[in-house]
Amino acid sequence: QKEVEQDPGPLSVPEGAIVSLNCTYSNSAFQYFMWYRQYSRKGPELLMYTYSSGNKEDGRFTAQVDKSSKYISLFIRDSQPSDSATYLCAMSVTRPGANNLFFGTGTRLTVIP
Amino acid sequence: DTAVSQTPKYLVTQMGNDKSIKCEQNLGHDTMYWYKQDSKKFLKIMFSYNNKELIINETVPNRFSPKSPDKAHLNLHINSLELGDSAVYFCASSPIYEQETQYFGPGTRLLVL
Repeated sequence: QKEVEQDPGPLSVPEGAIVSLNCTYSNSAFQYFMWYRQYSRKGPELLMYTYSSGNKEDGRFTAQVDKSSKYISLFIRDSQPSDSATYLCAMSVTRPGANNLFFGTGTRLTVIP
Repeated sequence: DTAVSQTPKYLVTQMGNDKSIKCEQNLGHDTMYWYKQDSKKFLKIMFSYNNKELIINETVPNRFSPKSPDKAHLNLHINSLELGDSAVYFCASSPIYEQETQYFGPGTRLLVL
């Protein structure tokens, strides 16, 4: 079983929709949770970072962590065509480093104007 | 004023060759990383390095070696290239005490024939 599971999609939504992206994980020791956005042919960029459980909001983006269910989510409100990208979740036990940072495979999102 | 830059952008080479990819960051960060992203978009961290410590992901073959001439540079050397090394390689950097906040370069697309 992979450490981190993520539905690769693709996911297509109309502009203005609420998007829900999710990852599940198997290691209950994960404490640091990150969401990255990767545009085509570009490097990933950090969108959201949360430590332990709870919610974090930044503009149209909300990250949720449910450690009891080993499930994290990224919600995008009022989605825009510019949100079209691949979204990767990542997590680690201690502060991220070479031996403890695990990524999901990414979900490809298309927002249709 | 690119924050993290990599050269070359594309690299096509024959099996068995030795090649290097260069990375430079002008963010003043202490820690740099190398990642490999395969054709299925799966991102895996290979190394993390600061001026005191190199941490190697134990799954990385010893044909791969990072070399840092100074704090702003972390180059990746690959010996005896294999077909399976074909991937996109990303360099990233972060402050040493905020390793969850990583800035990625644009990637180097390596194709081994």
